[in-house]
Amino acid sequence: EVQLVQSGAEVKKPGESLNISCKASGYTFTTYWIGWVRQMPGKGLEWMGIIYPADSDTKYSPSFQGQVTISADKSINTAYLQWTGLKAPDTAMYYCVRVRTMLRSPPDYWGQGTLVTVSS
Amino acid sequence: EIVLTQSPGTVSLSPGERATLSCRASQSVSSSYLAWYQQKPGQAPRLLIYGASSRATGIPDRFSGSGSGTDFTLTITRLEPEDFAVYYCHQYSRSPRTFGQGTKVEIK
Repeated sequence: EVQLVQSGAEVKKPGESLNISCKASGYTFTTYWIGWVRQMPGKGLEWMGIIYPADSDTKYSPSFQGQVTISADKSINTAYLQWTGLKAPDTAMYYCVRVRTMLRSPPDYWGQGTLVTVSS
Repeated sequence: EIVLTQSPGTVSLSPGERATLSCRASQSVSSSYLAWYQQKPGQAPRLLIYGASSRATGIPDRFSGSGSGTDFTLTITRLEPEDFAVYYCHQYSRSPRTFGQGTKVEIK
């Protein structure tokens, strides 16, 4: 059974750093891409970027380029989303998703989401 | 980037009725690389339709997708109580991938 299990909710202060994770199981981690999707409170879905764990090839949506870092550790089947200076508008639910190809295939499995709250 | 505009924003219907949701793209979505997702409160989205008209595994046949180019439709025949949710379209034809803003199907 394919599963993407994300790390737990986080409460952080502005300016702090954060690393959230997405652990994959039930398939060969290095043959699919992992994407990240943001959902701000009460809002829609936003595509952030995507990584190919086999070689760490990473593509960012322009809106998120330079704002976050996506990485992966294929030895432990885990992808990460990282911030070095959180801001209040980063408060959102973040989902990791599995995708067969960089483009031309839809996300088919979603993690349960990680709620990030940034507040002073 | 391709902007997806969904309409209506909210639709109020009764169980058993038919729902017709629209997704219009600002540029042509090649090879119908368009998907539909359902999201219920407190849950992650679930893939319903991919390739504009193919149902994902386990999706009931009351859900159907159609369209090409810039105009796409999700139809739910005979709404069941569990179908009341928010629906998003998603294009994966061109980078960056984008989502529509969502259509809420609520109980009338």
